[in-house]
Amino acid sequence: EAGVAQSPRYKIIEKRQSVAFWCNPISGHATLYWYQQILGQGPKLLIQFQNNGVVDDSQLPKDRFSAERLKGVDSTLKIQPAKLEDSAVYLCASSLEAVSYVGELFFGEGSRLTVL
Amino acid sequence: LAKTTQPISMDSYEGQEVNITCSHNNIATNDYITWYQQFPSQGPRFIIQGYKTKVTNEVASLFIPADRKSSTLSLPRVSLSDTAVYYCLVGFAYNNNDMRFGAGTRLTVKP
Repeated sequence: EAGVAQSPRYKIIEKRQSVAFWCNPISGHATLYWYQQILGQGPKLLIQFQNNGVVDDSQLPKDRFSAERLKGVDSTLKIQPAKLEDSAVYLCASSLEAVSYVGELFFGEGSRLTVL
Repeated sequence: LAKTTQPISMDSYEGQEVNITCSHNNIATNDYITWYQQFPSQGPRFIIQGYKTKVTNEVASLFIPADRKSSTLSLPRVSLSDTAVYYCLVGFAYNNNDMRFGAGTRLTVKP
């Protein structure tokens, strides 16, 4: 079974530029998550989708971050304009279960962003 | 307020059994206890999940006492490849009001 796919693996940009990350979850998984992991910290949830609807985006900096999950499958996370503090690994995860059930998250390898 | 407390780091040697304890004094009736493992440059990987007593799989065991205020992840006979960060999560749903990743426990296995 194919895992969660993410691209690009690495991205270096200058501050105030924009960047987009793409995620393809495991086939059939209804729930999709974007996490931000800063070096030395645990992952922090940015946004959570069930199918193509947003369930939790309470920690998403909406003035610069946006995410969408069209057709309830692939998802993109965009940052515009980027700040130095956005340097982190952006992890996508998916889950077979609906958001109301704990279950198991399957993570991709992440996209490492460096903002100069 | 953090829902879980676990050691920042632990050291062990190859072949030993490693026990990582997680404290969760305010665990709710519906909450589950879930552990993830994360290697450098990879996303976290689910290890084990339990509600009470003992759960065992091919990778680890999870011990949960009757009061459920703590839990212990047990890794039998660790090898160098078990060097990773281990996260304990407590809750019923992965969202910012419930199951969140803390800083985890950085386990270093030495030869």
